[in-house]
Amino acid sequence: NAGVTQTPKFQVLKTGQSMTLQCAQDMNHEYMSWYRQDPGMGLRLIHYSVGAGITDQGEVPNGYNVSRSTTEDFPLRLLSAAPSQTSVYFCASSYGGVGETQYFGPGTRLLVL
Amino acid sequence: KNEVEQSPQNLTAQEGEFITINCSYSVGISALHWLQQHPGGGIVSLFMLSSGKKKHGRLIATINIQEKHSSLHITASHPRDSAVYICAVRTNTDKLIFGTGTRLQVFP
Repeated sequence: NAGVTQTPKFQVLKTGQSMTLQCAQDMNHEYMSWYRQDPGMGLRLIHYSVGAGITDQGEVPNGYNVSRSTTEDFPLRLLSAAPSQTSVYFCASSYGGVGETQYFGPGTRLLVL
Repeated sequence: KNEVEQSPQNLTAQEGEFITINCSYSVGISALHWLQQHPGGGIVSLFMLSSGKKKHGRLIATINIQEKHSSLHITASHPRDSAVYICAVRTNTDKLIFGTGTRLQVFP
C-alpha cells in the first residue's frame, strides 16, 4: 500500500495563479482532510470530507475549494493564489474520522510570490 | 491562550536520557493523539488515547483527564528520536486541535 500520497512536493506560484494540490489514499478511508502548517502555529484544518460526494469547511477555508468524487482522491484547489497561502499543506485520512488514527501524506510546500 | 499547549517548545538531550514532553489542554476532549514529525516533514501517528497509559517500544504516553494533561515519555533516547512531537486533541464537538509541537534534538 502506498498510503497517502501528495503531489507536487514543492510548488512556486505567482500571486493570482491557480493550482490543484493532489491527494490520494489507497486504504479505503472514508474520512479525508486538508491541513496547513505555518511556523509557530499548530496544524489548521482547511476542508474535510466524510465520504465521496460530501465535503465541509474547516477552520481556515477561505481561498480554497475541494471536491470528493471518489473515495480515493481529495484534491485541494487554490483559485487565485495569495502570498498568505504560502505554507506547507498536509492531506490526511482515516477510517472513521478524527477519533481514529490519522494517516498523513508527505506534504506539499507552497510558495506564493 | 491556545487551547492546546505543549512544553517545552524545544528540548535537547544526550543519547540515553529519559525525555518527557507535556501537553495541557483547556477544552473537553474524548481522545488525545501524539504525532511525530520527522526532519523531512512527514507526520506519523504515535498514539491515540482516552485514558490511562499506552506503551510502544521506548515510547510511553499517559493521560490524566481530570487534570487535562498528557505526557509523552521516551526512554533511552537515541539520535533517531530527533523530531517534532505534536499533541492533538479530539474535542467533544469532534474537532482536532493541534499543539504547536515540541522540537527534540538528541545528541550522541
